[in-house]
Amino acid sequence: GESVGLHLPTLSVQEGDNSIINCAYSNSASDYFIWYKQESGKGPQFIIDIRSNMDKRQGQRVTVLLNKTVKHLSLQIAATQPGDSAVYFCAETLMNSGYSTLTFGKGTMLLVSP
Amino acid sequence: NAGVMQNPRHLVRRRGQEARLRCSPMKGHSHVYWYRQLPEEGLKFMVYLQKENIIDESGMPKERFSAEFPKEGPSILRIQQVVRGDSAAYFCASSPPTNSGNTIYFGEGSWLTVV
Repeated sequence: GESVGLHLPTLSVQEGDNSIINCAYSNSASDYFIWYKQESGKGPQFIIDIRSNMDKRQGQRVTVLLNKTVKHLSLQIAATQPGDSAVYFCAETLMNSGYSTLTFGKGTMLLVSP
Repeated sequence: NAGVMQNPRHLVRRRGQEARLRCSPMKGHSHVYWYRQLPEEGLKFMVYLQKENIIDESGMPKERFSAEFPKEGPSILRIQQVVRGDSAAYFCASSPPTNSGNTIYFGEGSWLTVV
């Protein structure tokens, strides 16, 4: 069936490095994608989103890239900090469904060493 | 996610008991979603409700699980005769009447442990 998945379950980086977290999606009808950050014992926190009519979107220290040709999504975090350590999920949805039922990937754990 | 309130945050139930999880959406939000997260898994959609209406329950198990969002009061996710496989984190999210994607806010979750 359709699914959203992540390539790497754990990513370990040094403080100050740039991090790249990848996500593959298979539902070609999805037109809206979101990255969430989830710290231990907490709910998902919105980071950044992108619509399917865009290839790139930048936020504060974060950039999301969308490649619709290969159905690939990535989250880039610049100058990674220890506070960025968390599990990161990509999620997809269909905006014209009238409401936003999100399909989440399994997540990638980002570990940042000082 | 500061405005979506869930309680209890942690709940322990013995097999066969009932679990009730409550969710108060953000002020002004009339759409409520419930998601379940198993250990080391992503969140899975369960049900979408508006006031007094279940709109989409395609992710709800057919038995033992039910949800409501009454005219007054919080949304309730009810699990009857719990089994160990129900142990998970249950997240509620809410959004305003107008669907604009990123205006979905999650609560901090309710962690259910079945012993």
